[in-house]
Amino acid sequence: QSALTQPASVSGSPGQSITISCTGPSSDVGSHNLVSWYQQHPGKAPKLMIYEVSKRPSGVSNRFSGSTSGNTASLTISGLQAEDEADYYCCSYAGSSTPWVFGGGTKLTVL
Amino acid sequence: QVQLVQSGAEVKKPGASVKVSCKASGYTFTSYYIHWVRQAPGQGLEWMGIINPSGTSTSYAQEFQDRVTMTSDTSTSTVYMELSSLRSEDTALYYCVRSVPGTKAFDIWGQGTMVTVSS
Repeated sequence: QSALTQPASVSGSPGQSITISCTGPSSDVGSHNLVSWYQQHPGKAPKLMIYEVSKRPSGVSNRFSGSTSGNTASLTISGLQAEDEADYYCCSYAGSSTPWVFGGGTKLTVL
Repeated sequence: QVQLVQSGAEVKKPGASVKVSCKASGYTFTSYYIHWVRQAPGQGLEWMGIINPSGTSTSYAQEFQDRVTMTSDTSTSTVYMELSSLRSEDTALYYCVRSVPGTKAFDIWGQGTMVTVSS
C-alpha cells in the first residue's frame, strides 16, 4: 500500500484542464516541499515533469503545473493533448526510515 | 549525453540472488546519488534505496533492509544492486535513477532491467 494516495484514474477532453491530487501524511507532503511528479507512457521509463512542488525541468511544457495545499499536492495539466495520456506518479521526500515514497499512480485518459 | 545503461533481463529461481548493474555516462559520476526503484507488472513505483556513488553511504527502504545491497565502482562509473532471497513477488522491472542534489527529484532514469522470479 502506497504512502501517498492518488485517484486511480482521471479523464478529460482535448483542450480541457485536469488536476491529479496526491495526499499524504503531514510528515511527507506537508512538510518538505519536495514533491515531484512523473509521467510514464506504456513501456517507457518515467519522466520528471515537476520537482520541488511547482518547478518544471527544462523542456517540460508550461501546460504542466504543480501546487500544494496542506497535506495534498496537485498536478494540473492545461490544454490537454492526446500525448498527455499516460500514468502519472507523485513522489515525496519524507526524511523518515523510508525517505522517498510514491503515490499509487493515476491513469490519465484523453477522451 | 547523460544516460544510465542497465544490464539485461534476468530469470531466477526462488531463493536465489540477482545483481543488476547500472553504468553512468555523460556526467561526473560521483556528483549525483543513484537510487533504485522497482515496478511490478501493472503496478506502481516503489523506492528501494539510495547510494552515494563515492561509495561512502547507502540507505535502504525498510522493506528491503535485510535483502538488498547497493555498491559502486568509481573506476567504471557503475552502480550495482543485489537482491537476495528472491521470491515471486520480486518479479519486476528494476530502474536505476539519478537524483538532483537538493531537489530530491529523479531526473535521469535507466531503461530498466526485468527480473523474473519463477520456479
